[in-house]
Amino acid sequence: DTEVTQTPKHLVMGMTNKKSLKCEQHMGHRAMYWYKQKAKKPPELMFVYSYEKLSINESVPSRFSPECPNSSLLNLHLHALQPEDSALYLCASSQFDSPAYNEQFFGPGTRLTVL
Amino acid sequence: GQSLEQPSEVTAVEGAIVQINCTYQTSGFYGLSWYQQHDGGAPTFLSYNALDGLEETGRFSSFLSRSDSYGYLLLQELQMKDSASYFCAVRSGKAAGNKLTFGGGTRVLVKP
Repeated sequence: DTEVTQTPKHLVMGMTNKKSLKCEQHMGHRAMYWYKQKAKKPPELMFVYSYEKLSINESVPSRFSPECPNSSLLNLHLHALQPEDSALYLCASSQFDSPAYNEQFFGPGTRLTVL
Repeated sequence: GQSLEQPSEVTAVEGAIVQINCTYQTSGFYGLSWYQQHDGGAPTFLSYNALDGLEETGRFSSFLSRSDSYGYLLLQELQMKDSASYFCAVRSGKAAGNKLTFGGGTRVLVKP
């Protein structure tokens, strides 16, 4: 299984809602990532988890809260989002050790619209 | 910090060869990667160069010159399905938990 899955595929939420994005991989990867991608822009790193511990937070606003319950799952909890947070949210995973970590496997993304 | 420059768009016909250049400025360099992303799809890994020289994978090749802070992705025998965005990316550190920074992306349009 060389796949990263993400649910839901699409999400529309109001600014007062609380929702969660989910990501799952069964490749035994111990590094997992959340990216945000706006239209016609590159992916921008938000968070990195290494061995289920948060290793990088790219100064992301606290209305985004990541969670890594186990080595296969990654969640992104959303609360009080703004319309400018509308984007494609991509999850990725990779092996931890060099040089294999240079290949990141991306999920199909969740397209989020904040009204 | 990291910054990567690549052309915004390239147009070519089927069967042609396209070269996408990427120049970078980094505080630490641990290799140059390339990713392909079709409209509405996820980025997929194409290649990785840690050392100077050319890496060939089928119709795609990637080149790196660390002394020039420069690399390129070569797409040969272009096919319609190659129409996509292509991103170069560099890593800030040795461990997997380090940041991967992407260039702005090059949109390749293949015409019949």
